[in-house]
Amino acid sequence: NAGVTQTPKFQVLKTGQSMTLQCAQDMNHEYMSWYRQDPGMGLRLIHYSVGAGITDQGEVPNGYNVSRSTTEDFPLRLLSAAPSQTSVYFCASSGRNYGYTFGSGTRLTVV
Amino acid sequence: KQEVTQIPAALSVPEGENLVLNCSFTDSAIYNLQWFRQDPGKGLTSLLLIQSSQREQTSGRLNASLDKSSGRSTLYIAASQPGDSATYLCALPDSSYKLIFGSGTRLLVRP
Repeated sequence: NAGVTQTPKFQVLKTGQSMTLQCAQDMNHEYMSWYRQDPGMGLRLIHYSVGAGITDQGEVPNGYNVSRSTTEDFPLRLLSAAPSQTSVYFCASSGRNYGYTFGSGTRLTVV
Repeated sequence: KQEVTQIPAALSVPEGENLVLNCSFTDSAIYNLQWFRQDPGKGLTSLLLIQSSQREQTSGRLNASLDKSSGRSTLYIAASQPGDSATYLCALPDSSYKLIFGSGTRLLVRP
């Protein structure tokens, strides 16, 4: 049981580049979320999903897109990377009445 | 709107002490409550999950209690060790099952 798998673990982008952070879970969880955590700060919700085909914005959605075509996968797309998006990104999933499980994170640097 | 508060923000104790971390929430209509730990530069590890119908959960030296009527949860750590040093986060899902975090308690256990 792999839990929540995030790839890549580290990434360096140039300003203006686009990329997709991958997140996959094998627990058949309906709820999935993306957070970012800046140094010394708490987690902020970017986007979340309550099931395949259903997504919604969190508190900091600008500059990011998501889609949920399957229960297992919830990729996060950076449309045009900016230095302000330098952060650690965490994906998480949960089933109703289950606790949330977090991935190990993707450390992104935008130069 | 659910709001989660954690007290104290930081705590420094000598090794061997028993300690209590506090979490309070404003809306008592909760699904469950989860305690996480986060080590510097690392992801979130789930410690304990308390369902709405439960009063406490235990795992090793950790015990978490839940009092919905007063909007409080406590995390009790027995016989603290330097390896317990980390940030401890309390979190609850809201009505959309998005996880709402407290600001955390930064714990340092001195040898």
